[in-house]
Amino acid sequence: EVQLEESGGGLVQPGGSLRLSCAASGFTVRDYWIHWVRQAPATGLLWVARINGDGSLSNYAVSMRGQLAISKDNAKNTVSLQMNGLRADDTAIYYCVRDRGGSAYDLWGRGTMVTVSS
Amino acid sequence: QSVLTQPPSVSGAPGQRVIISCTGSSSNIGAHYEVHWYQQLPGKAPKLLLYGNSFRPSGVPDRFSGSKSGTSASLAITGLQAEDEADYYCQSFDNNFSEVFGTGTRVTVL
Repeated sequence: EVQLEESGGGLVQPGGSLRLSCAASGFTVRDYWIHWVRQAPATGLLWVARINGDGSLSNYAVSMRGQLAISKDNAKNTVSLQMNGLRADDTAIYYCVRDRGGSAYDLWGRGTMVTVSS
Repeated sequence: QSVLTQPPSVSGAPGQRVIISCTGSSSNIGAHYEVHWYQQLPGKAPKLLLYGNSFRPSGVPDRFSGSKSGTSASLAITGLQAEDEADYYCQSFDNNFSEVFGTGTRVTVL
């Protein structure tokens, strides 16, 4: 089955760090751009970051630039998102998504919840 | 920060046609970037509904259609059904190399 599965979310204190992981099955992440998208409680979608097929190119949302590092392990077929300096307003469900081309996301994981609170 | 504006809500009776607008600017939709649409059912992850302004992925009913003109795009749902009750988001690319989403529209079937 073709799917994405996120992990690594949880409760973290303000200023803390988390590393999210996204495991792909049924396809090879090397063949796709992979993005992270987040959704704060009862609000809309916000693009966070993306990485290209071989992991050589990455981009980040301006609001989170400097906090994030996205990486890809093609051997393990996974994508990771390192988040540092977390703030309360980073509380959200973080989705890993596959880009079918032209930034159209045709495959979404179930998401992993990140809660930033003291 | 959403830079694409959608109406917060639209509603219609079963069988009716509803249209959701998505208004951007010259740095995103107006810069000839494609618009994609997603449907998010309650408690679920979003699902790709339309891509490339108007193309439907396999399995999406032809009741859903899309168009784009200038700095705006729209999603039309014809023959509205109870199962269409969901949140809908548009998405495009911006000249600052960011992907941008719309503010989201809740569709209610009366």
